[in-house]
Amino acid sequence: DAGITQSPRHKVTETGTPVTLRCHQTENHRYMYWYRQDPGHGLRLIHYSYGVKDTDKGEVSDGYSVSRSKTEDFLLTLESATSSQTSVYFCAISAGRGYNEQFFGPGTRLTVL
Amino acid sequence: AQRVTQPEKLLSVFKGAPVELKCNYSYSGSPELFWYVQYSRQRLQLLLRHISRESIKGFTADLNKGETSFHLKKPFAQEEDSAMYYCALNIGTASKLTFGTGTRLQVTL
Repeated sequence: DAGITQSPRHKVTETGTPVTLRCHQTENHRYMYWYRQDPGHGLRLIHYSYGVKDTDKGEVSDGYSVSRSKTEDFLLTLESATSSQTSVYFCAISAGRGYNEQFFGPGTRLTVL
Repeated sequence: AQRVTQPEKLLSVFKGAPVELKCNYSYSGSPELFWYVQYSRQRLQLLLRHISRESIKGFTADLNKGETSFHLKKPFAQEEDSAMYYCALNIGTASKLTFGTGTRLQVTL
């Protein structure tokens, strides 16, 4: 599992509340990613990081922010959750031969009521 | 812009039948393609990458640049192959992946 964990694994929250999801890796990988998985859309990239304090937007970044103050942690924050952000969120790291293979965390199922 | 298309949402086959999961891509450069599999309520796992030309769990995939396709094939489906399959394209910028919408493979007796 490339040493990737996510917390929490499940969360139910209300519209308008802030939510932070955590991705933790133990193998010092440079690149980290946040995706959301939705039926009919597959996985879509939200934000990614290419080093400590270095982040950039992905395809569906509106309403999300990220931070990476340590190599091992990549945080995804929903400043004010909306029902459209109900989804399964996956964190990933890039590793392997050529560093183009991505390995995924177990996912966080977020429900916004 | 790059795009990955998986035209089938659901593919249902009988055990022992051949399987082909379709993937087409659009990208003007030299693509790097992957197949990922997700078993029920589990994390995505890398199944194949086109560069390695491996056969994993009996699955193979060949990159056809002329048809811009990377179809996943298996000669004889097994029940344990039932899962969600995603085709993904890496365009080499920060190793970001563009995923298709996925195909659910259902293998029945």
